[in-house]
Amino acid sequence: GAVVSQHPSRVICKSGTSVKIECRSLDFQATTMFWYRQFPKQSLMLMATSNEGSKATYEQGVEKDKFLINHASLTLSTLTVTSAHPEDSSFYICSARPGSGGAGGYNEQFFGPGTRLTVL
Amino acid sequence: GENVEQHPSTLSVQEGDSAVIKCTYSDSASNYFPWYKQELGKGPQLIIDIRSNVGEKKDQRIAVTLNKTAKHFSLHITETQPEDSAVYFCAASRLGNKLSFGAGTTVTVRA
Repeated sequence: GAVVSQHPSRVICKSGTSVKIECRSLDFQATTMFWYRQFPKQSLMLMATSNEGSKATYEQGVEKDKFLINHASLTLSTLTVTSAHPEDSSFYICSARPGSGGAGGYNEQFFGPGTRLTVL
Repeated sequence: GENVEQHPSTLSVQEGDSAVIKCTYSDSASNYFPWYKQELGKGPQLIIDIRSNVGEKKDQRIAVTLNKTAKHFSLHITETQPEDSAVYFCAASRLGNKLSFGAGTTVTVRA
């Protein structure tokens, strides 16, 4: 149980294009999903927190108009990197937290496998 | 906000030996402390967690200890195996809040 998937696992795009990454909780309902970014040999950096049906909360320094997050259902959140540039190349990881009474406890986060974005 | 420090940054152990990773946190109100294992090119996997109402938790070869007074917690891996080689992250948070991660420890188990 508590499986989170991401699609695509790897994407290469040209500078200036937009890329959408999907995050799905497969066997539980996720009231909250998180989007992280990870550079090589570094820790996870939280970009934003999204709650189903409401606007995402972005961390300081993260451009909300560049990284569009939609959490339209209890099992799906999407991250769209708009007008991507080479500096946006990174490993993007989502996580999902079950609602009360779900698969995990009150704070557990389950991570997806990550999406490797390369912007040429 | 919460600040989590993790040591060491790299750890090399002989197969069969134990590995210990230590983390300290700054927010005395934090009450949830998970540990994640991340293999190359993959997302982090929750391996064990502990809540502030207990001091120790064990799951087969893995154990976590928590000292709330000193605000530190540790991961202990016994009888290490080559498949334990990975990057390990500690994290801390308050109930319902976002996780604050340590910088990570790269563990290498030598055969």
